[in-house]
Parts: sequence; structure tokens; C-alpha cells
Amino acid sequence: GEDVEQSLFLSVREGDSSVINCTYTDSSSTYLYWYKQEPGAGLQLLTYIFSNMDMKQDQRLTVLLNKKDKHLSLRIADTQTGDSAIYFCAESMTGGGNKLTFGTGTQLKVEL
Amino acid sequence: DGGITQSPKYLFRKEGQNVTLSCEQNLNHDAMYWYRQDPGQGLRLIYYSQIVNDFQKGDIAEGYSVSREKKESFPLTVTSAQKNPTAFYLCATKQGALGFQETQYFGPGTRLLVL
Repeated sequence: GEDVEQSLFLSVREGDSSVINCTYTDSSSTYLYWYKQEPGAGLQLLTYIFSNMDMKQDQRLTVLLNKKDKHLSLRIADTQTGDSAIYFCAESMTGGGNKLTFGTGTQLKVEL
Repeated sequence: DGGITQSPKYLFRKEGQNVTLSCEQNLNHDAMYWYRQDPGQGLRLIYYSQIVNDFQKGDIAEGYSVSREKKESFPLTVTSAQKNPTAFYLCATKQGALGFQETQYFGPGTRLLVL
């Protein structure tokens, strides 16, 4: 089945690292994504990782994938107030229009 | 964003009324998607279209209808049969129809409210 889970809230201090976690249940996922949503806006693609990779780094963002545990994480280094947003992980399924299955989203609050 | 336009930004619906949400793209992408977002929940797929003149139901299609007469347009109609239409509606596009490796890009969304 398909189920993607995230914790609802995360609060960090400016300058610290943030780690947002995601678990999924479908082992046939091919790509896993992280999207960012600011208030009242659409979703912005941050990064993605192919299922045969363990890690991907892109500037302040590091994605770690543990296929054995079906666990995905997004680390944001040197978190800034502009990083405050909701972060969604999503998995892409083969077939069925290659739809995305989204987690519930993690609200990241960055405090001064 | 960037080539995907959704209008209006806010839409009000009266009881028993059908309303249509617009999604236009100039990215020349083949596939288009409609999602619904409710507070505290992830996005849920309503309908998707991989090619002109073809579309498929998603997970929560009841009370909604779509058309895909042109590649660049994928309007969503919220019918009176949808009993709880208040939500944020997001349109997305993907370059290829069949390739799973291409990402989906999202429009800015339309917030629908019931009067």
C-alpha cells in the first residue's frame, strides 16, 4: 500500500540544522521528492533522489535515503527564517499516471 | 509557478452551484494534475491527464469533473455533488506523460470557499 508519514511540527533556532523525516511503505517507489510550501502558495520543488541512491547534497540541503527502513530525511544546514514553511515529502509510483503520494507535511518554524 | 497559471486566486461558491477553476501552462508539458489540499493533510489527487482528450480519475474524483481539450489547459469543475468543497486546489504539470523520472511542477493554487 501507499502511506507516507511525517511529523507535523519542527522548531529550530536560526543557524542550527533542521532535519525533517519521512517514512514510506511502498518499496516500489522510484523517485522521492521534497517540496516546500510557503503560506498561501503552491509547492516548490526543492530536491529529489532516485531510489538507488543513498544520499544527495545540493548546497544547504542533504537528502538521505534508507531503503531498508523506508526512511527519507531532509537536512537543512544553517537554517534561516526564510526556511520557515511546510515541507512535504512525496513518492513517485510507476504506472497510474506516475502520480505522487504526499506526506502530511512538516511545519518548520525558525526562531531567532 | 513559472509557466503555470491558476485563476482565480480566491473563489466563492454558493450552495448548489458549479464552479470552474482554471489551470493554464505554457511549458509544453504533456501531463497535468489536480490536487486538493486540506489543513493538516497532504495533497490528494483528484484527476490527471497524460495527453490531450484523455484524463483519469485520481483518489478523490467524486463531485469533480475535468476536460483536456487543449494541451495547455486543464480546467477543474467543482460540482454541487461535492459536499465539502472548501479547500486549496493545486494544479501541477509534468513534462512527459509516461516517464516516471520527470518531476511535477505546481501552480500557485486557488482557494475555494463556500458561502
